[in-house]
Amino acid sequence: NFMLTQPHSVSESPGKTVTISCTRSSGSIASNYVQWYQQRPGSAPTTVIYEDNQRPSGVPDRFSGSIDSSSNSASLTISGLKTEDEADYYCQSYDSSNLVFGGGTKLTVL
Amino acid sequence: QLQLQESGPGLVKPSETLSLTCTVSGGSISSSSYYWGWIRQPPGKGLEWIGSIYYSGSTYYNPSLKSRVTISVDTSKNQFSLKLSSVTAADTAVYYCARHFVPEYIVGATGGWFDPWGQGTLVTVSS
Repeated sequence: NFMLTQPHSVSESPGKTVTISCTRSSGSIASNYVQWYQQRPGSAPTTVIYEDNQRPSGVPDRFSGSIDSSSNSASLTISGLKTEDEADYYCQSYDSSNLVFGGGTKLTVL
Repeated sequence: QLQLQESGPGLVKPSETLSLTCTVSGGSISSSSYYWGWIRQPPGKGLEWIGSIYYSGSTYYNPSLKSRVTISVDTSKNQFSLKLSSVTAADTAVYYCARHFVPEYIVGATGGWFDPWGQGTLVTVSS
């Protein structure tokens, strides 16, 4: 089994850029795609990135995803921050036996 | 558009079985492209995949919950259901159902992603 570790919280100002990391504990981050979900308070999660860097229709191009094999991690980058981006963000990946979510990162847009 | 709605008791006693149903509207649960999944979220905590089912009845479960979980499907009602046995307070959570897209390059249903999700239902385990 593997784990996905995210920072508990990040904060940034409107208009700035923020990056949220997701580190895989074992197995290569590049071997299995990573997804990212946004969860606003009191709401169900929605997909903002799938297959490492693909955006579903309707998700603005301010959201982008990437992976870094050297650190065995994935990243979600949000540019041009808006107050509406304030939410919890979860990464998700898998292996042959399990589907795993990261612990979540609370993004505060000050 | 596709919508999912969870239903079931909001309070379950310890050691009993939690039972929830997800009703799918705006699309067929028999679509060949999708599995259908359950995910839970304890209050103030993160997400945990419980398991997923294909319309044919093929299931995949989180290994940590597998001994207590049963997911079934009723295509005639466009519904799928979750049963979690021998519950404890640790099973208190918001339970979500979701459509689970599993690309063809993935063997089984431990990969892919969830979209859309139901609104979630809080189940409390307490005597």
